[in-house]
Amino acid sequence: EAQVTQNPRYLITVTGKKLTVTCSQNMNHEYMSWYRQDPGLGLRQIYYSMNVEVTDKGDVPEGYKVSRKEKRNFPLILESPSPNQTSLYFCASTHRTSGTDTQYFGPGTRLTVL
Amino acid sequence: GQQLNQSPQSMFIQEGEDVSMNCTSSSIFNTWLWYKQDPGEGPVLLIALYKAGELTSNGRLTAQFGITRKDSFLNISASIPSDVGIYFCAGLAHMDSNYQLIWGAGTKLIIKP
Repeated sequence: EAQVTQNPRYLITVTGKKLTVTCSQNMNHEYMSWYRQDPGLGLRQIYYSMNVEVTDKGDVPEGYKVSRKEKRNFPLILESPSPNQTSLYFCASTHRTSGTDTQYFGPGTRLTVL
Repeated sequence: GQQLNQSPQSMFIQEGEDVSMNCTSSSIFNTWLWYKQDPGEGPVLLIALYKAGELTSNGRLTAQFGITRKDSFLNISASIPSDVGIYFCAGLAHMDSNYQLIWGAGTKLIIKP
């Protein structure tokens, strides 16, 4: 079954304690991205990756890092989380063909930073 | 970052009513996407539109890609309780070898019993 998986689904942590949210897709997609979702603001892109070892900033990259060492995995790293990073995070993987693009989303990770 | 103007922000409707929502932008898009998000889940793609003027249906859902490529609408006919959720539009802009997906803020659909 084609899917995007994220772990953990829920996480409560404290300010300054480094954490990593994993994302994995089994569809061999080249393009992956991370979003955060906050009430009234919709989805905002944090980082994206066009392919292995190719990453770039989205709209709200401050306080986040990513890596793309292999095609299937795209972890999101918070080196020193702060309360304003409390949010719902989604990883997405994109199927791209000529003229069409379809994004598949993971189930989400709800992060609370105390 | 840029966002699409999606309206309405929320809708309270009776079961059986038709629903209409839309997104507008000052930018041109190559693709319009409509997603639905249920509580505790990630967005799920409903309809994808790839050509200006395109009208596409998916069951009771119909969406259109505006002629100007700056807007799109989604209609739901004869709403049922499982239609509740948040609907998002997203516009895809290709820039050189890159592309950017811009999201609307969402339309929350609530069905009155």
